[in-house]
Amino acid sequence: AQSVSQHNHHVILSEAASLELGCNYSYGGTVNLFWYVQYPGQHLQLLLKYFSGDPLVKGIKGFEAEFIKSKFSFNLRKPSVQWSDTAEYFCAVREAAGNKLTFGGGTRVLVKP
Amino acid sequence: EPEVTQTPSHQVTQMGQEVILRCVPISNHLYFYWYRQILGQKVEFLVSFYNNEISEKSEIFDDQFSVERPDGSNFTLKIRSTKLEDSAMYFCASSPGQGADGYTFGSGTRLTVV
Repeated sequence: AQSVSQHNHHVILSEAASLELGCNYSYGGTVNLFWYVQYPGQHLQLLLKYFSGDPLVKGIKGFEAEFIKSKFSFNLRKPSVQWSDTAEYFCAVREAAGNKLTFGGGTRVLVKP
Repeated sequence: EPEVTQTPSHQVTQMGQEVILRCVPISNHLYFYWYRQILGQKVEFLVSFYNNEISEKSEIFDDQFSVERPDGSNFTLKIRSTKLEDSAMYFCASSPGQGADGYTFGSGTRLTVV
Protein backbone atom coordinates (compact mmCIF):
# COMPACT_ATOMS: atom_id res chain seq x y z
CA ALA A 1 0.00 0.00 0.00
CA GLN A 2 1.20 3.46 -0.74
CA SER A 3 1.74 6.13 1.87
CA VAL A 4 2.41 9.84 1.74
CA SER A 5 4.42 11.83 4.28
CA GLN A 6 4.48 15.55 4.76
CA HIS A 7 7.38 16.58 6.91
CA ASN A 8 6.03 19.70 8.53
CA HIS A 9 2.75 19.90 10.38
CA HIS A 10 2.90 23.64 10.94
CA VAL A 11 4.84 26.39 9.23
CA ILE A 12 4.82 30.03 10.27
CA LEU A 13 6.47 32.64 8.10
CA SER A 14 6.29 36.30 7.20
CA GLU A 15 5.01 37.81 4.00
CA ALA A 16 7.53 37.77 1.15
CA ALA A 17 9.36 34.81 2.65
CA SER A 18 9.92 31.74 0.53
CA LEU A 19 7.97 28.58 1.21
CA GLU A 20 8.91 24.97 0.65
CA LEU A 21 6.76 22.08 1.83
CA GLY A 22 8.11 18.57 1.69
CA CYS A 23 6.22 15.54 0.44
CA ASN A 24 7.50 12.00 0.11
CA TYR A 25 5.61 8.95 -0.97
CA SER A 26 6.21 5.25 -0.92
CA TYR A 27 5.11 3.33 -3.98
CA GLY A 28 7.21 1.53 -6.51
CA GLY A 29 5.02 1.96 -9.56
CA THR A 30 3.95 4.87 -11.70
CA VAL A 31 2.13 7.57 -9.79
CA ASN A 32 0.33 10.82 -10.38
CA LEU A 33 1.05 13.53 -7.84
CA PHE A 34 -1.05 16.41 -6.58
CA TRP A 35 -0.98 19.33 -4.22
CA TYR A 36 -4.25 20.59 -2.81
CA VAL A 37 -4.92 23.67 -0.72
CA GLN A 38 -7.73 24.21 1.74
CA TYR A 39 -8.38 27.79 2.79
CA PRO A 40 -10.23 28.25 6.07
CA GLY A 41 -13.83 27.17 5.70
CA GLN A 42 -13.46 26.19 2.07
CA HIS A 43 -13.16 23.03 0.03
CA LEU A 44 -10.01 21.33 -1.18
CA GLN A 45 -8.73 23.03 -4.31
CA LEU A 46 -6.19 21.67 -6.75
CA LEU A 47 -2.98 23.72 -6.81
CA LEU A 48 -1.05 21.63 -9.31
CA LYS A 49 -0.51 18.14 -10.55
CA TYR A 50 2.15 15.98 -12.15
CA PHE A 51 1.35 13.14 -14.50
CA SER A 52 4.38 12.94 -16.78
CA GLY A 53 6.89 15.07 -18.69
CA ASP A 54 8.73 18.04 -17.20
CA PRO A 55 9.22 17.24 -13.52
CA LEU A 56 8.93 20.92 -12.60
CA VAL A 57 5.28 21.81 -12.69
CA LYS A 58 3.72 25.19 -12.23
CA GLY A 59 0.35 25.65 -10.65
CA ILE A 60 -2.00 28.40 -9.69
CA LYS A 61 -1.23 31.34 -7.41
CA GLY A 62 2.51 31.22 -8.14
CA PHE A 63 3.10 27.75 -6.72
CA GLU A 64 5.35 25.17 -8.30
CA ALA A 65 6.46 21.67 -7.41
CA GLU A 66 9.31 19.43 -8.46
CA PHE A 67 9.01 15.69 -8.89
CA ILE A 68 12.25 13.90 -8.05
CA LYS A 69 11.66 10.26 -8.88
CA SER A 70 14.87 8.99 -7.27
CA LYS A 71 13.87 10.58 -3.98
CA PHE A 72 10.14 9.75 -4.23
CA SER A 73 9.53 13.41 -3.52
CA PHE A 74 7.19 16.11 -4.77
CA ASN A 75 7.99 19.28 -2.85
CA LEU A 76 5.89 22.40 -3.15
CA ARG A 77 7.47 25.83 -3.42
CA LYS A 78 6.53 29.46 -3.63
CA PRO A 79 9.22 32.13 -3.84
CA SER A 80 7.32 34.86 -2.03
CA VAL A 81 4.24 34.14 0.07
CA GLN A 82 1.37 36.45 0.81
CA TRP A 83 -0.92 36.65 3.81
CA SER A 84 -3.64 35.09 1.63
CA ASP A 85 -1.57 31.91 1.33
CA THR A 86 -2.54 31.05 4.90
CA ALA A 87 -4.16 27.65 4.50
CA GLU A 88 -3.63 23.93 4.90
CA TYR A 89 -1.72 22.20 2.12
CA PHE A 90 -2.13 18.54 1.24
CA CYS A 91 0.06 16.37 -0.93
CA ALA A 92 -1.71 13.44 -2.59
CA VAL A 93 -0.70 10.49 -4.71
CA ARG A 94 -2.66 8.30 -7.07
CA GLU A 95 -1.47 5.07 -8.57
CA ALA A 96 -1.50 5.64 -12.31
CA ALA A 97 -3.72 2.60 -12.78
CA GLY A 98 -6.02 3.46 -9.92
CA ASN A 99 -8.63 5.98 -8.98
CA LYS A 100 -8.37 6.94 -5.35
CA LEU A 101 -6.13 9.56 -3.82
CA THR A 102 -3.86 8.86 -0.88
CA PHE A 103 -3.25 12.03 1.10
CA GLY A 104 -0.45 13.18 3.31
CA GLY A 105 -1.21 14.52 6.75
CA GLY A 106 -1.31 18.14 5.64
CA THR A 107 0.75 21.19 6.55
CA ARG A 108 -0.84 24.21 8.12
CA VAL A 109 0.80 27.37 6.85
CA LEU A 110 0.35 30.67 8.64
CA VAL A 111 1.66 33.75 6.89
CA LYS A 112 2.04 36.74 9.16
CA PRO A 113 1.32 40.12 7.57
CA GLU B 1 -17.52 27.52 -11.80
CA PRO B 2 -19.44 24.31 -11.08
CA GLU B 3 -19.38 23.18 -7.47
CA VAL B 4 -19.94 20.05 -5.47
CA THR B 5 -22.48 20.88 -2.79
CA GLN B 6 -22.68 19.09 0.54
CA THR B 7 -25.39 19.31 3.15
CA PRO B 8 -25.54 19.79 6.02
CA SER B 9 -22.31 21.61 6.79
CA HIS B 10 -22.42 20.35 10.36
CA GLN B 11 -24.41 17.51 11.89
CA VAL B 12 -24.54 16.38 15.48
CA THR B 13 -25.99 12.96 16.19
CA GLN B 14 -26.27 10.58 19.08
CA MET B 15 -24.26 7.38 19.12
CA GLY B 16 -26.21 4.54 17.54
CA GLN B 17 -28.30 6.79 15.32
CA GLU B 18 -28.33 6.62 11.55
CA VAL B 19 -27.08 9.60 9.58
CA ILE B 20 -27.26 10.44 5.92
CA LEU B 21 -24.80 12.88 4.44
CA ARG B 22 -25.84 14.43 1.18
CA CYS B 23 -23.88 15.58 -1.82
CA VAL B 24 -24.80 17.02 -5.18
CA PRO B 25 -21.94 16.27 -7.57
CA ILE B 26 -21.25 18.27 -10.71
CA SER B 27 -23.94 17.36 -13.20
CA ASN B 28 -21.84 15.91 -16.03
CA HIS B 29 -19.45 14.03 -13.76
CA LEU B 30 -19.55 10.25 -13.78
CA TYR B 31 -17.40 9.24 -10.80
CA PHE B 32 -18.24 10.05 -7.22
CA TYR B 33 -16.24 9.68 -4.06
CA TRP B 34 -16.40 10.00 -0.30
CA TYR B 35 -13.38 10.83 1.82
CA ARG B 36 -13.18 11.58 5.51
CA GLN B 37 -10.77 13.37 7.81
CA ILE B 38 -10.78 12.65 11.52
CA LEU B 39 -9.57 15.68 13.45
CA GLY B 40 -5.80 15.83 13.39
CA GLN B 41 -5.47 12.91 10.99
CA LYS B 42 -5.08 12.40 7.26
CA VAL B 43 -7.78 12.69 4.63
CA GLU B 44 -8.75 9.05 3.97
CA PHE B 45 -10.47 7.48 0.99
CA LEU B 46 -13.74 5.74 1.77
CA VAL B 47 -15.40 4.76 -1.48
CA SER B 48 -15.71 5.47 -5.18
CA PHE B 49 -18.92 5.01 -7.16
CA TYR B 50 -19.49 4.67 -10.87
CA ASN B 51 -22.38 3.51 -13.00
CA ASN B 52 -24.60 3.04 -9.97
CA GLU B 53 -22.26 0.74 -8.14
CA ILE B 54 -19.25 0.85 -5.88
CA SER B 55 -16.06 0.67 -7.92
CA GLU B 56 -13.62 0.68 -5.02
CA LYS B 57 -13.81 0.89 -1.23
CA SER B 58 -11.37 1.05 1.64
CA GLU B 59 -11.15 -1.06 4.76
CA ILE B 60 -12.89 1.76 6.62
CA PHE B 61 -15.99 1.32 4.49
CA ASP B 62 -17.51 -1.60 6.37
CA ASP B 63 -21.10 -2.81 6.59
CA GLN B 64 -22.08 0.24 8.62
CA PHE B 65 -21.56 2.41 5.56
CA SER B 66 -23.51 2.55 2.32
CA VAL B 67 -23.74 4.89 -0.63
CA GLU B 68 -26.55 5.60 -2.99
CA ARG B 69 -27.41 7.79 -5.92
CA PRO B 70 -31.15 7.83 -5.40
CA ASP B 71 -32.34 10.27 -8.03
CA GLY B 72 -29.63 11.03 -10.55
CA SER B 73 -28.47 14.20 -8.84
CA ASN B 74 -27.82 13.38 -5.18
CA PHE B 75 -25.07 11.10 -3.90
CA THR B 76 -25.52 10.05 -0.30
CA LEU B 77 -23.40 8.41 2.37
CA LYS B 78 -25.32 6.58 5.06
CA ILE B 79 -23.87 5.46 8.36
CA ARG B 80 -26.27 2.98 9.90
CA SER B 81 -25.35 3.07 13.56
CA THR B 82 -22.91 5.83 14.33
CA LYS B 83 -20.01 5.39 16.71
CA LEU B 84 -17.99 8.03 18.49
CA GLU B 85 -15.07 7.29 16.17
CA ASP B 86 -17.17 8.21 13.13
CA SER B 87 -16.83 11.85 14.16
CA ALA B 88 -14.95 13.46 11.28
CA MET B 89 -15.19 15.81 8.34
CA TYR B 90 -16.67 13.97 5.38
CA PHE B 91 -15.79 15.20 1.91
CA CYS B 92 -17.66 14.35 -1.25
CA ALA B 93 -15.93 14.65 -4.63
CA SER B 94 -16.74 14.01 -8.25
CA SER B 95 -14.79 13.70 -11.47
CA PRO B 96 -15.81 13.58 -15.13
CA GLY B 97 -13.88 10.41 -15.86
CA GLN B 98 -11.67 7.88 -14.21
CA GLY B 99 -8.70 9.31 -12.47
CA ALA B 100 -8.22 12.18 -10.12
CA ASP B 101 -7.38 14.71 -12.78
CA GLY B 102 -10.74 16.37 -12.66
CA TYR B 103 -11.58 15.89 -8.99
CA THR B 104 -13.80 18.59 -7.52
CA PHE B 105 -14.30 18.45 -3.78
CA GLY B 106 -17.21 19.72 -1.73
CA SER B 107 -16.77 21.85 1.38
CA GLY B 108 -17.40 18.92 3.67
CA THR B 109 -19.85 17.92 6.37
CA ARG B 110 -18.56 17.93 9.91
CA LEU B 111 -20.16 15.00 11.70
CA THR B 112 -20.05 14.99 15.48
CA VAL B 113 -21.22 11.86 17.27
CA VAL B 114 -22.02 12.37 20.94
